Amino acid sequence: DTGVSQDPRHKITKRGQNVTFRCDPISEHNRLYWYRQTLGQGPEFLTYFQNEAQLEKSRLLSDRFSAERPKGSFSTLEIQRTEQGDSAMYLCASSLQGGVGYEQYFGPGTRLTVT
Amino acid sequence: AQKVTQAQTEISVVEKEDVTLDCVYETRDTTYYLFWYKQPPSGELVFLIRRNSFDEQNEISGRYSWNFQKSTSSFNFTITASQVVDSAVYFCALSEANYGGATNKLIFGTGTLLAVQP
Repeated sequence: DTGVSQDPRHKITKRGQNVTFRCDPISEHNRLYWYRQTLGQGPEFLTYFQNEAQLEKSRLLSDRFSAERPKGSFSTLEIQRTEQGDSAMYLCASSLQGGVGYEQYFGPGTRLTVT
Repeated sequence: AQKVTQAQTEISVVEKEDVTLDCVYETRDTTYYLFWYKQPPSGELVFLIRRNSFDEQNEISGRYSWNFQKSTSSFNFTITASQVVDSAVYFCALSEANYGGATNKLIFGTGTLLAVQP
């Protein structure tokens, strides 16, 4: 049984470029979450999907950010026109539907550095 | 508003000492869940425990124990006989049951860095 996987693990990009990250959740999990973590802080919620439907987006998710989960399996997070403030660890998590207490399992994260 | 406070930024102990990590939360909901996650140097968050707001029983799992007190809105985590492998950042998190559609998004504290010296 594999856990949540994320690709790439590290990304260095120049300001103004677009980047895309991928997340593959645990296979039977139908909820998928994106979080962002900056140095010395806890993860902050960005958005979440139940199957292919994006059900909530944080105000942190500016219009330069877009997330998709086209077939209810893997998800992508795209950042357009990157800024230095976007430098962070982007974490993906998945969980089972059915109850708000189900624990979320996290992937290893994608560390983004914008130069 | 929901909030999780971990006032201890860093704790350093010597191996075999007991250590308690504090977590205080704020929520207006009566139904909610509390979590602890461990983030070792490798970076991946590891789930440790989940408690719901109706279950105030303390829990013990090996060297780990958790003390949940609704009266003080606290959910503290104790490691007994600490080991070097316990060195990590520990996060406390809150999930409300009904928030804009019961999304169960996690609200994290800022974490406590635990350093266990040999």
